[in-house]
Amino acid sequence: EPEVTQTPSHQVTQMGQEVILRCVPISNHLYFYWYRQILGQKVEFLVSFYNNEISEKSEIFDDQFSVERPDGSNFTLKIRSTKLEDSAMYFCASIRDSGGLVTQYFGPGTRLLVL
Amino acid sequence: KQEVTQIPAALSVPEGENLVLNCSFTDSAIYNLQWFRQDPGKGLTSLLLIQSSQREQTSGRLNASLDKSSGRSTLYIAASQPGDSATYLCAVPLIMEYGNKLVFGAGTILRVKS
Repeated sequence: EPEVTQTPSHQVTQMGQEVILRCVPISNHLYFYWYRQILGQKVEFLVSFYNNEISEKSEIFDDQFSVERPDGSNFTLKIRSTKLEDSAMYFCASIRDSGGLVTQYFGPGTRLLVL
Repeated sequence: KQEVTQIPAALSVPEGENLVLNCSFTDSAIYNLQWFRQDPGKGLTSLLLIQSSQREQTSGRLNASLDKSSGRSTLYIAASQPGDSATYLCAVPLIMEYGNKLVFGAGTILRVKS
């Protein structure tokens, strides 16, 4: 069964450094998402991406964050200058088409630790 | 604004017991509801997706029910096993102009003791 993959599985970085989290969504999917889960808290939506542009973003997704799909397969989340509070598990997800009738497929996550 | 609540926050049961996890949502205009399993430090595994037109969905020892009008869903686990120990999350989609985003509950941490 096709699956969403994410790399790296773990990343440790120093505060102020840039990080790029990578995702490979399922190949025929059209809508892509990033969510995050701070330890002990709910999974929360960050951003959605469709047709090579951001379709919606949450309040969390400020100017320090950016997403892109550079080559038609990878989907990346960049944090320009990490803060301690960016430490979390970051999940990528994708769906085939729009509407609420289909399941979102999640990747295994990248655990980011900012020191 | 859609809010999703799960009770109990944690549950500890002996092996073999049947158990029920509860999920409630404030806006009943949902297309579906999804139950996920999350093992410690791991990703989200989709267990069941129940459409708004359905009342129940079953997979093995798992049965999810949905009552849209009352804003509730339950996940029933039959004959629980230690391997069922995990956090169980429910989520509902919010429809956006393009695609949808999931709104998650905080989860129920389940421990099945052998």
